[in-house]
Amino acid sequence: NAGVMQNPRHLVRRRGQEARLRCSPMKGHSHVYWYRQLPEEGLKFMVYLQKENIIDESGMPKERFSAEFPKEGPSILRIQQVVRGDSAAYFCASSPDSTGIYGYTFGSGTRLTVV
Amino acid sequence: KNQVEQSPQSLIILEGKNCTLQCNYTVSPFSNLRWYKQDTGRGPVSLTIMTFSENTKSNGRYTATLDADTKQSSLHITASQLSDSASYICVVSANNAGNMLTFGGGTRLMVKP
Repeated sequence: NAGVMQNPRHLVRRRGQEARLRCSPMKGHSHVYWYRQLPEEGLKFMVYLQKENIIDESGMPKERFSAEFPKEGPSILRIQQVVRGDSAAYFCASSPDSTGIYGYTFGSGTRLTVV
Repeated sequence: KNQVEQSPQSLIILEGKNCTLQCNYTVSPFSNLRWYKQDTGRGPVSLTIMTFSENTKSNGRYTATLDADTKQSSLHITASQLSDSASYICVVSANNAGNMLTFGGGTRLMVKP
């Protein structure tokens, strides 16, 4: 079991470009969470998805950000028209169910740098 | 509003010494509390998890305590090692639908030789 896989590990984008971050959850996990961590700050919740459904997107900016978790394939966090303030580490976590009692496994993150 | 506050924000100790990190929370309805260790450039890794009825949980040199009445938790690290240098994050789960996790800001621990 390879754990939660995020790619790319590092992503550099120019202002105005699109960034696509991928997260493959652990085998058997159908719940995915995305978090953003600004330098020297804690993790902030963005969005919680279950296969093909967005359960909670209360932490995600209303514009430019979107997330999906299709029936097949990884979860994608998409940031359109990136700005310098989007530079951060983006972490994905997965769990096997919605209760959380079996724990959450985090990926190693994608570090987005907007130049 | 659910909140998790950690103290101190940063801490420097000498190798071999003990230290205690604090976590206060206002999360309702409470489900469980976890301590994570996050090494620089890595994702968080779970150290301990405690439910409402548990007061103490150990994992090697890490011992977590939970006082559900005062809504406080602590993480005690004994005989610190250089590899303990990391951020330690307190995460509290609420027992409801949607996003259930509230993260503390973390304590940045540096262990010096």
